[in-house]
Amino acid sequence: SQQGEEDPQALSIQEGENATMNCSYKTSINNLQWYRQNSGRGLVHLILIRSNEREKHSGRLRVTLDTSKKSSSLLITASRAADTASYFCATDRGDSWGKLQFGAGTQVVVTP
Amino acid sequence: EAQVTQNPRYLITVTGKKLTVTCSQNMNHEYMSWYRQDPGLGLRQIYYSMNVEVTDKGDVPEGYKVSRKEKRNFPLILESPSPNQTSLYFCASSFRSGTSSYEQYFGPGTRLTVT
Repeated sequence: SQQGEEDPQALSIQEGENATMNCSYKTSINNLQWYRQNSGRGLVHLILIRSNEREKHSGRLRVTLDTSKKSSSLLITASRAADTASYFCATDRGDSWGKLQFGAGTQVVVTP
Repeated sequence: EAQVTQNPRYLITVTGKKLTVTCSQNMNHEYMSWYRQDPGLGLRQIYYSMNVEVTDKGDVPEGYKVSRKEKRNFPLILESPSPNQTSLYFCASSFRSGTSSYEQYFGPGTRLTVT
């Protein structure tokens, strides 16, 4: 079964708006990562947040982690057409960090 | 240029014909992993390797084999492919330190069709 599950499955916004997507997971983790994928291409790493961190920023990206709720959110501010992609969260289980589990992803479409 | 390469990029084959998908990285990464991606299911891990000669099963290892004889290479072997192994396959690598994962670098993917 999948460890991480993203919500919503799809998101359509206009340029300049913010996009927020959420990831929930089931077991304790060491860290949580977010990746972007453009149309069937290889995934690109966006940000990694460790279990002892609550918030992290990278450019227009803001990630939060709530280990008590076993959830994380990714916020993309001032979105651009180039942000159109699928976004995935990935978690490594605390007891077996080599096993990475990805969610099904959130498909984001940003229209000009 | 730091990268993960996969070959072939596209492959159409028939049921039962053994095939190998190669993966190579030039970043001296200890950790390597294989995933398959199917619509609506995201990425599912097939096998991973913490270092040379150290491999372990992911969530969907059935029907696949791997080997890690050199640090840079991590081939995926399908001994007897079946149509349910039609999928998009990704290889990834990362550094390894302590007991947690690091950012992974992904290859461009191999689209496999088994008829």
